Amino acid sequence: DAGVTQSPTHLIKTRGQQVTLRCSPISGHKSVSWYQQVLGQGPQFIFQYYEKEERGRGNFPDRFSARQFPNYSSELNVNALLLGDSALYLCASSLPGRDYGYTFGSGTRLTVV
Amino acid sequence: AQTVTQSQPEMSVQEAETVTLSCTYDTSENNYYLFWYKQPPSRQMILVIRQEAYKQQNATENRFSVNFQKAAKSFSLKISDSQLGDTAMYFCAFMKHVLTNQGGKLIFGQGTELSVKP
Repeated sequence: DAGVTQSPTHLIKTRGQQVTLRCSPISGHKSVSWYQQVLGQGPQFIFQYYEKEERGRGNFPDRFSARQFPNYSSELNVNALLLGDSALYLCASSLPGRDYGYTFGSGTRLTVV
Repeated sequence: AQTVTQSQPEMSVQEAETVTLSCTYDTSENNYYLFWYKQPPSRQMILVIRQEAYKQQNATENRFSVNFQKAAKSFSLKISDSQLGDTAMYFCAFMKHVLTNQGGKLIFGQGTELSVKP
């Protein structure tokens, strides 16, 4: 079975632009979460979606938004990019109602110049 | 708010030896989970071991084991018979039960970079 897949793997954007990152969870996983990992730090929680509903939001500005589709895949959108948005963006999926930890994708490396 | 602290930014160990990574956390919750994740240069976070707070028995997964001290809010990871492939960044993480407010989100520490030397 395929793991959590994220696309693209790398991305370079200019300040002020908008970006969309994509995530496909493991088959059967209905919960998807997004994390931002700045170089040298631990990941920070951005969003969690379950059954297409937002279940949690971290301390990020409204420039960050996300959604989950009927097939449980998800998109993370960031508007008006800042240099500080440069980071590794990780997607994780899990089985519903199971606290067995999350399976992560390999991430999208976003560089804002 | 919950916090997770890893006080060892870097550690090194000789191949085949044992190493212990430290983690402390702060919470007022009683129902939660603790995890150790490994992040090699490939960037993918890999779950190493998981501990449920209500279980007194320390979790073990092959060469990996934890020392969970709930009263002290300490959760250390012991790697036995270290292998070159264990070289990676290790993150300790806390999660409230998924059915609680703000449950289901992982709170990570700053990480410990482990180097296993031949």
